[in-house]
Amino acid sequence: DAGVIQSPRHEVTEMGQEVTLRCKPISGHNSLFWYRQTMMRGLELLIYFNNNVPIDDSGMPEDRFSAKMPNASFSTLKIQPSEPRDSAVYFCASSTSGGTGELFFGEGSRLTVL
Amino acid sequence: AQKITQTQPGMFVQEKEAVTLDCTYDTSDPSYGLFWYKQPSSGEMIFLIYQGSYDQQNATEGRYSLNFQKARKSANLVISASQLGDSAMYFCAMKPDSWGKFQFGAGTQVVVTP
Repeated sequence: DAGVIQSPRHEVTEMGQEVTLRCKPISGHNSLFWYRQTMMRGLELLIYFNNNVPIDDSGMPEDRFSAKMPNASFSTLKIQPSEPRDSAVYFCASSTSGGTGELFFGEGSRLTVL
Repeated sequence: AQKITQTQPGMFVQEKEAVTLDCTYDTSDPSYGLFWYKQPSSGEMIFLIYQGSYDQQNATEGRYSLNFQKARKSANLVISASQLGDSAMYFCAMKPDSWGKFQFGAGTQVVVTP
């Protein structure tokens, strides 16, 4: 079975550029989470969706960040304009309401903003 | 509000020894799940073990066991017979059963030495 798929795996961009990170959750999972991981701040929950609806975006740092989930199989996290302090690993994760509800993580997108 | 606390930033353990990683939590939700994840240096997040707040018995998964003390709000991970491959960052996490945030602690870096 395919796991959570994220793209790109690595992105290097210059300050001011737009960055779009993509995520395909596991088929049948109805919750999707975006996390940011840095050495200084650890794993931060940015936003999560339930049945494609954003439930809590209080972790989104500022208006430069936006996330969408147009359907059950795709989500994007966009940063515009990007800044060097946005450099981090961005994880997408999905879960289902059944069972233990554990998160299944993608491999992450490592973003470097110069 | 939820809070997960991991007070041990790092620890060394000798191969074949057992190690206990501390995790305390705070929540007002009556029903919740507790999780442990492993993040090796390669970066992926690996689910290890789950404990439901109403489970009467402590969870076990192979060499991993969770020492759950509900009254003390602690969910410590015990790794028995440590192996070199156990060297990684370990995260404790909690999720209320009512579709709340999946929140992570700061993590504990474990280094297993020969």
